[in-house]
Amino acid sequence: EVQLVESGGGLVQPGGSLRLSCAASGFTFSSYWMSWVRQAPGKGLEWVANIKQDGSEKYYVDSVKGRFTISRDNAKNSLYLQMNSLRAEDTAVYYCARGDSGSYKGKDDYWGQGTLVTVSS
Amino acid sequence: QSVLTQPPSVSAAPGQKVTISCSGSSSNIGNNYVSWYQQLPGTAPKLLIYENNKRPSGIPDRFSGSKSGTSATLGITGLQTGDEADYYCGTWDSSLSATVFGGGTKLTVL
Repeated sequence: EVQLVESGGGLVQPGGSLRLSCAASGFTFSSYWMSWVRQAPGKGLEWVANIKQDGSEKYYVDSVKGRFTISRDNAKNSLYLQMNSLRAEDTAVYYCARGDSGSYKGKDDYWGQGTLVTVSS
Repeated sequence: QSVLTQPPSVSAAPGQKVTISCSGSSSNIGNNYVSWYQQLPGTAPKLLIYENNKRPSGIPDRFSGSKSGTSATLGITGLQTGDEADYYCGTWDSSLSATVFGGGTKLTVL
């Protein structure tokens, strides 16, 4: 059974940092693109970033470029999101999602339960 | 303002059919695959349709997807009260080098 379990969320002050983790199991992690998607309270989905199987390609939404870094450790079956210079508008539930195997075609077929990040003083 | 445009809400009676549209451009829908997601209240999104019209295993054939030019459509037949949810379209945008989602459509089954 595919499982994605996020952790690392919490309350952080504006300008602070947080590192999210996503523990994957039930599939060959190194064979899949992985994504982070967020959802602000009462709002729609916003894609944040994704990363290729071997980490050689990474893509980000404009609003987080230069502040967030996506990474993965295939030996540990884990996905990460390092978030720096956090702003109030980064407040959201952050979901980890499994993407395509092979080339990226825009499919995210399994999602974690999400972890809440609150940026507030 | 989302790159992909969806109606904010749609409604229909149980047993009826509903369609949800998703409008984009040549840099996204026009040249890339479209996915559709269902988000029930308080839960994570769930993939309903991928590569424009394919259903993952376990998704009933009441759900269908299509694409024409720069627009895509999700169809749901035999509506059930359990289908009440938010529905999102998503695709890759080649100009932005980013995945983009529609703003979401709230389905109400009256």
